[in-house]
This record gives sequence, C-alpha cells and structure tokens, in this order.
Amino acid sequence: QTVVTQEPSLTVSPGGTVTLTCASSTGAVTSGYYPNWFQQKPGQAPRALIYSTTNKHSWTPARFSGSLLGGKAALTLSGVQPEDEAEYHCLLYHGGSQGVFGGGTKLTVL
Amino acid sequence: QITLKESGPTLVAPTQTLTLTCTFSGFSLSTHGMGMAWIRQPPGKALEWLTLVYWDDDKRYSPSLRSRLTITKDTSKNQVVLTMTNMDAVDTATYYCVRYPRSDYWGQGILVTVSS
Repeated sequence: QTVVTQEPSLTVSPGGTVTLTCASSTGAVTSGYYPNWFQQKPGQAPRALIYSTTNKHSWTPARFSGSLLGGKAALTLSGVQPEDEAEYHCLLYHGGSQGVFGGGTKLTVL
Repeated sequence: QITLKESGPTLVAPTQTLTLTCTFSGFSLSTHGMGMAWIRQPPGKALEWLTLVYWDDDKRYSPSLRSRLTITKDTSKNQVVLTMTNMDAVDTATYYCVRYPRSDYWGQGILVTVSS
C-alpha cells in the first residue's frame, strides 16, 4: 500500500515564506508522478492550485509555486496572506494513473 | 462554464450498495485525454482517491477498494456513475467527482452517511 506523507501542520507569519512537501513511500517523487496541490478551507470543497508539478491554474495566486525538492514534491507560498490559512493536500499518480493523496498539511498563519 | 454535481442517496444502510451520479457540463468526456475521478473525504479526515475513467473507457481503481468499486460513463448524458458495494460506517464521507487530468474542477460534494 503506497503512502504519501505531508507535514501534519506548519505555522508561518504573515508576509513570510513556507514550503510544504509531499513524499512517496515508493521513493523519490519525479515529474512522472504528476504532483497536484489543493487548498481546502473548512466546509468547502478543495480548490486546485498546482498540476503536473509546477503548472498553475488560471485562478492560482502568483505567490503559490510548485516544484520538486530533495526527492519530494513541494508547494511554496511566498508572501503569505492571512487568507492562505487552510488545509493543503497533495496528490501523486503512481504507475501513471493511480492516485494517492497525502494526509494533508494544516497551515496556520500567525 | 464548467460545472460538476454529484447526486444520489445521502443515507445508506450497512451492507447496501451506493450509487452516485456525477452530472457535468462545459466539456465532453469523449475528448482525448479527458477523464473523471471520484474522491472522498471522511469527516475531519484526509482526501482519498477512489477511481478514474478515461475518455476511451479505460479505468483505474484504488487497490484497497478495487473489489467494491465500479465506475461507468455515459458520454451522451454527460454523466459518470460510481457504484460501491457492501457499504460500512467507515465509508461515511463526502464524495466528490473531479475532472481529470488537471483535477481542476470539482463538484460540490455529497455527504453520504452509512447507518441503519
């Protein structure tokens, strides 16, 4: 059973920078895992932020960026805003098309 | 404008079969590369990827739930149907349909409670 691991929680100050990561139990995450990132606020459906490692949707704020970092997928928020406080989920596709979500990272802006 | 909406029962008895329908508009599932996935989220827990159907009717399933899941599509009706057998209390969750491959558009979700 493939496990995808995210930091359970992170705290960042307004205006600061924070990086969330997403690791796979199968080994180093590559672009072939097509990493996706989603933001979810309480009571809402997830909102897509990043697809295929680095690509932003038309609605994704410029302060969000995706990358690969040290064998993991990463989501970096630069110039964090109070409204960025949310749960962040990563999704990796194993074997090209079998999706596995991470456990989510609760980001606190304090 | 792209929209997706899940429909089906919100209460299911244990051991029964759940059938959910995703009705969408603004795109076609017959377009090369397109697909539709189902994802669920138990209350207060993480998202779980369930299954995916491609434009060419190829399908993928979560290994842990493969024996209980069936996904089908009706391109003419713009619908995708999820069937999950032998429902249990642990299957209580909000179920979402999500456009693939970019996972860009999500339905509002439907909360399904498994209880007698």
